[in-house]
Amino acid sequence: GIQVEQSPPDLILQEGANSTLRCNFSDSVNNLQWFHQNPWGQLINLFYIPSGTKQNGRLSATTVATERYSSLYISSSQTTDSGVYFCAVDLNYGGSQGNLIFGKGTKLSVKP
Amino acid sequence: NAGVTQTPKFRILKIGQSMTLQCTQDMNHNYMYWYRQDPGMGLKLIYYSVGAGITDKGEVPNGYNVSRSTTEDFPLRLELAAPSQTSVYFCASSYLGAFAYNEQFFGPGTRLTVL
Repeated sequence: GIQVEQSPPDLILQEGANSTLRCNFSDSVNNLQWFHQNPWGQLINLFYIPSGTKQNGRLSATTVATERYSSLYISSSQTTDSGVYFCAVDLNYGGSQGNLIFGKGTKLSVKP
Repeated sequence: NAGVTQTPKFRILKIGQSMTLQCTQDMNHNYMYWYRQDPGMGLKLIYYSVGAGITDKGEVPNGYNVSRSTTEDFPLRLELAAPSQTSVYFCASSYLGAFAYNEQFFGPGTRLTVL
């Protein structure tokens, strides 16, 4: 089956620093989403981005479908950015269930 | 517009007990999903439904059952709870159709412990 690999697995930042999280996938995809799981366990939709670039405030994401990767860029990090960031993909074929295949996540800790 | 709601938020079960996790969405989505998340891991699909009356197994369906009698509701039933079912359960929904996106929206989760 499709492999979704996220890097780095853990990241510690000082408040105000920038960071880039990476998601590589092994097959063509129909859908790619980035989520932030906050310390209370809630999954928050960040981006729906099967291709191209999107920005939302201090966050931006880019997916290059032909090269099978996506990046999430966090600028001027804040302590509230702490948590786990998940990349999830939906396979691009007719028999797809539509369900998302999740990577193992990047655990981000932002220190004050 | 409440999105996807789940009840209960927390539950402790004894081995062998049964329970139903409730999930409701008010976005008129046709697809609904149940995932489980084990500690330190991503989510894995348990069951999904493409519309009322239609359900199918996902990656980890053993020990669970589902039904979908309405567009809005998608309950997950645990029969004979086992410690291996200790996990956080997330319900999600999306709209799939011709030229339609599959952006999935998640509920707040149910944290289940089986002792």
